Amino acid sequence: NAGVTQTPKFRVLKTGQSMTLLCAQDMNHEYMYWYRQDPGMGLRLIHYSVGEGTTAKGEVPDGYNVSRLKKQNFLLGLESAAPSQTSVYFCASSLERESNTDTQYFGPGTRLTVL
Amino acid sequence: GENVEQHPSTLSVQEGDSAVIKCTYSDSASNYFPWYKQELGKRPQLIIDIRSNVGEKKDQRIAVTLNKTAKHFSLHITETQPEDSAVYFCAPRLVGGKSTFGDGTTLTVKP
Repeated sequence: NAGVTQTPKFRVLKTGQSMTLLCAQDMNHEYMYWYRQDPGMGLRLIHYSVGEGTTAKGEVPDGYNVSRLKKQNFLLGLESAAPSQTSVYFCASSLERESNTDTQYFGPGTRLTVL
Repeated sequence: GENVEQHPSTLSVQEGDSAVIKCTYSDSASNYFPWYKQELGKRPQLIIDIRSNVGEKKDQRIAVTLNKTAKHFSLHITETQPEDSAVYFCAPRLVGGKSTFGDGTTLTVKP
């Protein structure tokens, strides 16, 4: 099992450009999450999904959109990137199907810089 | 939403000493209490968790204690080693709900 993978690992964008970050998991997990982590801070939830075809807003959703068309993939889109979106983005997933299956497993992260 | 506070924000100990990090939360409905460790440049990884039906859980040198009445839980690391140096996050939540992460505690273990 590869676990949770993220594409790309690094990206530099200019202000106003768009991009999509891809998260994939091969553990048949129900829930998937997108977080951002700024220097010296904790992880802040952007959007999450409790199942295929469903998404919900987290703590800091403005400027981002998401889609979960397939259970194993969760896409994070930036339509018009801003310097304030410079951050490290982590995807995570959790099973959530029965008791004791709510551990979140994280991907390796994507380092995004917006100039 | 859930308000989560971690204390202290930084902690420096000598190798072999104990370290304790406290996490305070606001949502009394929270019933799952994990601690994550994040080494520099790496992803967060679960090191221990506890559920609301127990008060303490131990795994070798790591333990977590929960006080639901006071709405706080703590991470205890005994016999600290240099490889314990990392940032530790708490992330309390209601099972099936979303997590709110604390701002993290940077632990430095000096050899």
